[in-house]
Amino acid sequence: DTEVTQTPKHLVMGMTNKKSLKCEQHMGHRAMYWYKQKAKKPPELMFVYSYEKLSINESVPSRFSPECPNSSLLNLHLHALQPEDSALYLCASSQATVGRTGQPQHFGDGTRLSIL
Amino acid sequence: SQQGEEDPQALSIQEGENATMNCSYKTSINNLQWYRQNSGRGLVHLILIRSNEREKHSGRLRVTLDTSKKSSSLLITASRAADTASYFCATIGYSTLTFGKGTMLLVSP
Repeated sequence: DTEVTQTPKHLVMGMTNKKSLKCEQHMGHRAMYWYKQKAKKPPELMFVYSYEKLSINESVPSRFSPECPNSSLLNLHLHALQPEDSALYLCASSQATVGRTGQPQHFGDGTRLSIL
Repeated sequence: SQQGEEDPQALSIQEGENATMNCSYKTSINNLQWYRQNSGRGLVHLILIRSNEREKHSGRLRVTLDTSKKSSSLLITASRAADTASYFCATIGYSTLTFGKGTMLLVSP
């Protein structure tokens, strides 16, 4: 069992739908991350939240909208996605941002998203 | 790019054998991490090695770091079928990790 919980595990949606991915951690971590991972590829960073504030947006299209309601929760709101957005979306957390000390990140098992 | 490059891309061995995976990176680092990802699961942190360390052990894992060659290796000794997974090295940027392309390890019983 992972300490970072992501829901739903699977999501199929049409290009006109609006849906949200959720991520929750109760380790007291103050940094949270969204990654996108295509099959047989490494995770690619999308967003970083530090102390509930968005600190990094890796030029992600606006059809992906992150939200951090509190220090334990991270959402990713999806709207008007494209078929190429089909991927595994991973959430991670760490005590603080990675920085120079290299805090290990704790990952959830992801949401497998399919866009029809 | 800071991205690491793992070598080999895929490795197939028998249970009980050792598995060695290599990672090369391009810029100076303060530390390097290794992660494992089982099929359909999230990544699990395995070990961190700092730039002033040359070797580190954790159970059946041995990691080396050669900063002059900008390379690291991960050795899994006495492999088990449960070690079947993808393994990624990760280097540290300003506040983020950048993952290498990964090595897919298959351990057959």
